[in-house]
Amino acid sequence: IAGITQAPTSQILAAGRRMTLRCTQDMRHNAMYWYRQDLGLGLRLIHYSNTAGTTGKGEVPDGYSVSRANTDDFPLTLASAVPSQTSVYFCASSERLAEGTGELFFGEGSRLTVL
Amino acid sequence: GQNIDQPTEMTATEGAIVQINCTYQTSGFNGLFWYQQHAGEAPTFLSYNVLDGLEEKGRFSSFLSRSKGYSYLLLKELQMKDSASYLCAVRDGDYQLIWGAGTKLIIKP
Repeated sequence: IAGITQAPTSQILAAGRRMTLRCTQDMRHNAMYWYRQDLGLGLRLIHYSNTAGTTGKGEVPDGYSVSRANTDDFPLTLASAVPSQTSVYFCASSERLAEGTGELFFGEGSRLTVL
Repeated sequence: GQNIDQPTEMTATEGAIVQINCTYQTSGFNGLFWYQQHAGEAPTFLSYNVLDGLEEKGRFSSFLSRSKGYSYLLLKELQMKDSASYLCAVRDGDYQLIWGAGTKLIIKP
C-alpha cells in the first residue's frame, strides 16, 4: 500500500540523547515535511524539503536537523533531546511544495517522550 | 500576527448537521484546507478552497469568504465515525501552512 512510513511509532528518550526519526515515502513525491503536534496547538512545521538534496527551515527548527539524500527518505534528527521536544511528530509529503490543492499525505506519527 | 481560530470542542447528534467555523488572520492567503484527524491517527485531507463560495463533496461541504477571513466545514447526516478532530489550515504564501488547533467533534447517538 502506497504511503508514508514512520519509525519508531513511539519512543521514550533520556534528555541529552541523540534520536533520529525515520520517514520513508513511496509515492515519488518531491516535497516532504516534518511537523510536531502538541495539545492545544496547531501543527507546527519543523523542516521541509522541496526536492532531493534541498532542505529548508520551518516555524520551529531549533534543536532539529534533517537531510534529503534521495526522494524517498527524510529523517529528522534531535542532536541532544530536551523535555520540550516531547511531542507527536508527523512526517508528510506532497507532489510539489506548492501545487494546486497542495494536499498533504501524513505518516501515522511518532510519539516521542523526553525525560 | 498569524492566527487561526476554531472552537475547541463541539457536540452533535448522529444523523444531524454540524457546522465547524474557522476564522483566520494571516499575512497572505493562498488557499484554505480542512483535514480530519481521528484520535491517535494521521490527519487526512478533506477539502480545499481558494475562491469564495461553497465546495461540496458528498456529506461534507466547505465554504470560504476571503473578505471576512472566514470558512466553515459543514457535515451532514452525521455518523459515529465522524467523531474526530477537524483541522483548519491556511496557506499564507508559497508553501507555509498555518494550522488551527483543531475542533474536536463528539457525535452522540
